[in-house]
Amino acid sequence: DAKTTQPPSMDCAEGRAANLPCNHSTISGNEYVYWYRQIHSQGPQYIIHGLKNNETNEMASLIITEDRKSSTLILPHATLRDTAVYYCIVRVVGANSKLTFGKGITLSVRP
Amino acid sequence: EPEVTQTPSHQVTQMGQEVILRCVPISNHLYFYWYRQILGQKVEFLVSFYNNEISEKSEIFDDQFSVERPDGSNFTLKIRSTKLEDSAMYFCASQGQANQPQHFGDGTRLSIL
Repeated sequence: DAKTTQPPSMDCAEGRAANLPCNHSTISGNEYVYWYRQIHSQGPQYIIHGLKNNETNEMASLIITEDRKSSTLILPHATLRDTAVYYCIVRVVGANSKLTFGKGITLSVRP
Repeated sequence: EPEVTQTPSHQVTQMGQEVILRCVPISNHLYFYWYRQILGQKVEFLVSFYNNEISEKSEIFDDQFSVERPDGSNFTLKIRSTKLEDSAMYFCASQGQANQPQHFGDGTRLSIL
């Protein structure tokens, strides 16, 4: 079972920041936080991941609390194309550990 | 940007028939995976593969399933005798180095009649 909990859905206005929360209170020291998204029935798309520190790339920022029990994915300027299901996943550090998907959060970006 | 490609995009098969789903991982990637997603449900892990061996498999991946990397470029999932409940989207993923992200293809929709 997934070790994360996410609200089922949220929406935001186009052009505004979308802040997607995730709880992972039982995360272990050897587990990363990963974010993927799935648009319609396409394959999951990798967004970002982190272990302890906050991370930023061209798609998003990941803020991990100091106790690592929760995190927030930030899409700084949401567009209509960011409407998707976003998955927060805890993944064991290891060469080829699997991803365990939950139900994710459905983000709807409105015009 | 390199991507994982899967063929066919849609496969329709009679129950009891064998089916082979094909994937071309990103070049130079070393770790390979299959996942599936039944309509309206979660994405589920099936199997991981490295160095020509299965690293891990789920309970779903029973004796009817097998994986193979027959040459340097393809990674295949075979279902020997398909059942109605095998109908799902099947996603292939590949990963470059240890602890790097997995990158997914757009899937094969398998419909069992």
